Amino acid sequence: AQTVTQSQPEMSVQEAETVTLSCTYDTSENNYYLFWYKQPPSRQMILVIRQEAYKQQNATENRFSVNFQKAAKSFSLKISDSQLGDTAMYFCAFMKSISNFGNEKLTFGTGTRLTIIP
Amino acid sequence: KAGVTQTPRYLIKTRGQQVTLSCSPISGHRSVSWYQQTPGQGLQFLFEYFSETQRNKGNFPGRFSGRQFSNSRSEMNVSTLELGDSALYLCASSLQDPHTDTQYFGPGTRLTVL
Repeated sequence: AQTVTQSQPEMSVQEAETVTLSCTYDTSENNYYLFWYKQPPSRQMILVIRQEAYKQQNATENRFSVNFQKAAKSFSLKISDSQLGDTAMYFCAFMKSISNFGNEKLTFGTGTRLTIIP
Repeated sequence: KAGVTQTPRYLIKTRGQQVTLSCSPISGHRSVSWYQQTPGQGLQFLFEYFSETQRNKGNFPGRFSGRQFSNSRSEMNVSTLELGDSALYLCASSLQDPHTDTQYFGPGTRLTVL
């Protein structure tokens, strides 16, 4: 079974600063996907960024980037130039690679509550 | 393209009752997954449907069931409600493309059991 660990329950940072959220996972799979989702107070779960395990290049989406270390099973999220709208709960999630049978289960970490301070 | 929609958004029930929640996936998405989110247990996978067939099921009692219709819309049902069933129920849909597959979530249904 897969496990996802987020060791930082809460973090806060000043607006415009950079913040890094940590995530480690445990799996015996070789092919898988990793995700960061954010859940603002409105509770809508929004995809932030996605990483395929077979890709060595770290994924980036505008101000969001990841540091994916496959051997260390680490998947951290960096938010640059943080904005007030980034205030949310951030979840790291793992999913096995899709097979013909299909395996759509996401395994989530416990989340990191991020607060951006004006 | 419209996102995942869930109805109702809020629901209050009493113990012993049953409830049905509905999820309409993004157009063209054939896979629908359901998750339960509680402060104590976090986000837990309930089940996943694809082409009207349940392919995966999480570790929940048989009181939790679901189905998917030919238009990919899905419903989940909880019978004999317990206080511990109070939670945010999230539905997610995906395209089932191995190269781009990602689950997109709806706004959730907040269920309160009194």
